[in-house]
Amino acid sequence: GAGVSQTPSNKVTEKGKYVELRCDPISGHTALYWYRQSLGQGPEFLIYFQGTGAADDSGLPNDRFFAVRPEGSVSTLKIQRTERGDSAVYLCASSLNPAGWNEQFFGPGTRLTVL
Amino acid sequence: ELKVEQNPLFLSMQEGKNYTIYCNYSTTSDRLYWYRQDPGKSLESLFVLLSNGAVKQEGRLMASLDTKARLSTLHITAAVHDLSATYFCAVDMNQFYFGTGTSLTVIP
Repeated sequence: GAGVSQTPSNKVTEKGKYVELRCDPISGHTALYWYRQSLGQGPEFLIYFQGTGAADDSGLPNDRFFAVRPEGSVSTLKIQRTERGDSAVYLCASSLNPAGWNEQFFGPGTRLTVL
Repeated sequence: ELKVEQNPLFLSMQEGKNYTIYCNYSTTSDRLYWYRQDPGKSLESLFVLLSNGAVKQEGRLMASLDTKARLSTLHITAAVHDLSATYFCAVDMNQFYFGTGTSLTVIP
């Protein structure tokens, strides 16, 4: 079956611009996660959705970052007034069962470059 | 804040040799995962460890979990070049806390 997909695969933008990154989770997975991975680092948690609601957004670095999942499936991560420090790979993951064990399946990521 | 530390960070080993990667974490959890990441690629799930004493094996890789010691190990047996990648452990506290990663290079 289809895995987690993310679009675009690469995004280059200028400092100060607005970007949207999209994630399509595995069909039927109720939990969806966003992570950010900087070069040479492990993924860092940003936000977790259970259904349509953000169950934990404690990893969002500041109010320039926002994510939505209006119908409980596709999610969009939105970054306003991008800064060069936002450059990273943004990974999305989904899982079937958010309670108990929680194997997360990752998408290929979106590489964001802010010039 | 939960800390997850892996060591070594970098590992270069010859084909045929054995080695162990360690993952230490700073709080109580009985759910730990190992992932593999190839350069420019996403994370591939390797092992799911859900209880103290859990041991899982797949090919030349074996993972174990000691929740009392807050330690997981990933043991490599008779390494081959195809195992070259970065390996991450992740502690499950609903969100995942990832380790720093171990970059493994297997030399022919």
